[in-house]
Amino acid sequence: NAGVMQNPRHLVRRRGQEARLRCSPMKGHSHVYWYRQLPEEGLKFMVYLQKENIIDESGMPKERFSAEFPKEGPSILRIQQVVRGDSAAYFCASSHGPNTEAFFGQGTRLTVV
Amino acid sequence: DQQVKQNSPSLSVQEGRISILNCDYTNSMFDYFLWYKKYPAEGPTFLISISSIKDKNEDGRFTVFLNKSAKHLSLHIVPSQPGDSAVYFCAARSEGTSGNTGKLIFGQGTTLQVKP
Repeated sequence: NAGVMQNPRHLVRRRGQEARLRCSPMKGHSHVYWYRQLPEEGLKFMVYLQKENIIDESGMPKERFSAEFPKEGPSILRIQQVVRGDSAAYFCASSHGPNTEAFFGQGTRLTVV
Repeated sequence: DQQVKQNSPSLSVQEGRISILNCDYTNSMFDYFLWYKKYPAEGPTFLISISSIKDKNEDGRFTVFLNKSAKHLSLHIVPSQPGDSAVYFCAARSEGTSGNTGKLIFGQGTTLQVKP
């Protein structure tokens, strides 16, 4: 029973490039959450998705960031025109539903140079 | 606006003794609280949780206490073991105006070091 899988584990992008972070939820989970952890800080909620729907994107920056969770395939967090301040660890979590425990992936560490 | 606060960035205890990690919150709408443990370069791992209708939940060496009037919760680990050394995050969940989305609000984390 594989856990939440995130790839890549490490991603280096130059300023202005695009970053695509992937998350495959645990088997049977249809709810996905993305969190960001800046250095020396806790995890900050970004977005909550169910299959093909964005339920809550209150934590997403207004520009450059988008997320999707298609009917088939992993959830994707996309950051366009990355800047140094986007450097962080991005964690994905999945659950059966909003009232059940969420399990986290190992994260993608994005470094913008 | 830090709704969940862990005011101690670090804690060091001797193996076999009790570790007490504290967490304060400001939002009275929070109805469910969780503790996660995180090792470097890994994702958070769920430890224990408590509903706002309870004041204590115990699971093996881990006990979480909730004081709603003080908006305070704590995680007790006894006896502490060197393998418990990690960053501990408390998190809270609430039923917002859009219903329960399962969104978690995390504290900043406390680094626990258990010395052999």
